[in-house]
Formats: sequence, C-alpha cells, structure tokens
Amino acid sequence: GNSVTQMEGPVTLSEEAFLTINCTYTATGYPSLFWYVQYPGEGLQLLLKATKADDKGSNKGFEATYRKETTSFHLEKGSVQVSDSAVYFCALRGYGGSQGNLIFGKGTKLSVKP
Amino acid sequence: DGGITQSPKYLFRKEGQNVTLSCEQNLNHDAMYWYRQDPGQGLRLIYYSQIVNDFQKGDIAEGYSVSREKKESFPLTVTSAQKNPTAFYLCASSIDRGYTDTQYFGPGTRLTVL
Repeated sequence: GNSVTQMEGPVTLSEEAFLTINCTYTATGYPSLFWYVQYPGEGLQLLLKATKADDKGSNKGFEATYRKETTSFHLEKGSVQVSDSAVYFCALRGYGGSQGNLIFGKGTKLSVKP
Repeated sequence: DGGITQSPKYLFRKEGQNVTLSCEQNLNHDAMYWYRQDPGQGLRLIYYSQIVNDFQKGDIAEGYSVSREKKESFPLTVTSAQKNPTAFYLCASSIDRGYTDTQYFGPGTRLTVL
C-alpha cells in the first residue's frame, strides 16, 4: 500500500538557518504530494502541493519538488524564522477507492530559536 | 468567511459514555473526513463521506460511528466500544475525492477520557 516516510524530529535551528525536512514515499502510479503545517493546538494548514513529477510547490518561502526518480518530496526554506516553529507533515494521495485517501507521515517538529 | 468549524475545542468524558463531536463546513464541499491524531503520530483516517447519506470506513473505524444527513455536517460519535479514545480529532473537507484535491482542516477537538 501507499506510505510516507519523513525524517524524525525534533529539528532545532537558529533563526535565518537553512531548513530541509526529508520526505520519501511509496505508491503506485503518480500520486499527488502535499506538505501540511500544524501550529500548537491547531488543525492542519496546507503549506504547498505538487500533483505531477517535476512540479515544484512553493508558499511563504517554502519549496518542495516532486522527484519521481527518487520518490521524494523534500521541504526546504532558505531562511527560517521563529514563527516557522511548528510540526510539518508530508502526505500523499493516490487514485480512486481507498487509494484516494490522504496518507500522512508521522510529522517533524521544528523549533527555531532567536 | 468560509471554513470548517469543530466544537467543542476540549471535551471530557467518563469511561463508558458515548460522545459526539461536531463538524460543520460552509465551503460547499462534497467530501468530508474524520482523522485521529495521537502524540508523535501522523493522522489516521477514521471515516470519510463523498456525498450525503453515504460514508465509508477508514483505517481505524472500530468504536466510532458517523452520519451525513446534510452536506454541511459530518458528526462523529465516539462510542464506549472505542478502547483508547483519548486523542486529538480533526475534521476535514475537500471539493470531492479527486487525487489532486486539497483537504482543508478544522481546528480540532481534544477528547480526554477520565
């Protein structure tokens, strides 16, 4: 079945540091890929998505590229801020039936220190 | 403003009691979902509904029940048969179940069984 593996946290960075959170997936065909962010005590917000190979999703300075050859969708940001402290979830969605359900990684907690 | 509301934000119940969590959306979305989140875990799908009066079990449906009598509403009942109900519950919706569709999440309800 479909699955998502993302790097375990927590990740602690200083403000303005470069961020990478690794995400790899297993799926049949070409799923859509998503990054969600969860701030403490809140629901999930869509950060970015990509729906086909080589697509780059971007939002609020975050980027991720859909790499079919390495089955990866790593999240990057060039300069993190304290306000980026949150839990980040990688997710995929396949085609039809139960494959159409959103499958999440376990989340990576990011803490950014001033 | 369009969005998803969940109530209450915090809920306490005694063992052996059923409890119903509310989820309402005004996004005119056809599909709705319930997820459970435990500490350090990703989200796991409990139930989903593609249209009114129809719903399907997700990965962890045992001990839960749902109804979908109106497009806007998808309440979740946590029954006494659920062995470990203490968790954070998230409701989501999407336009439909197309594999590129984005799921939008509510703020969540934290259920604690005393």
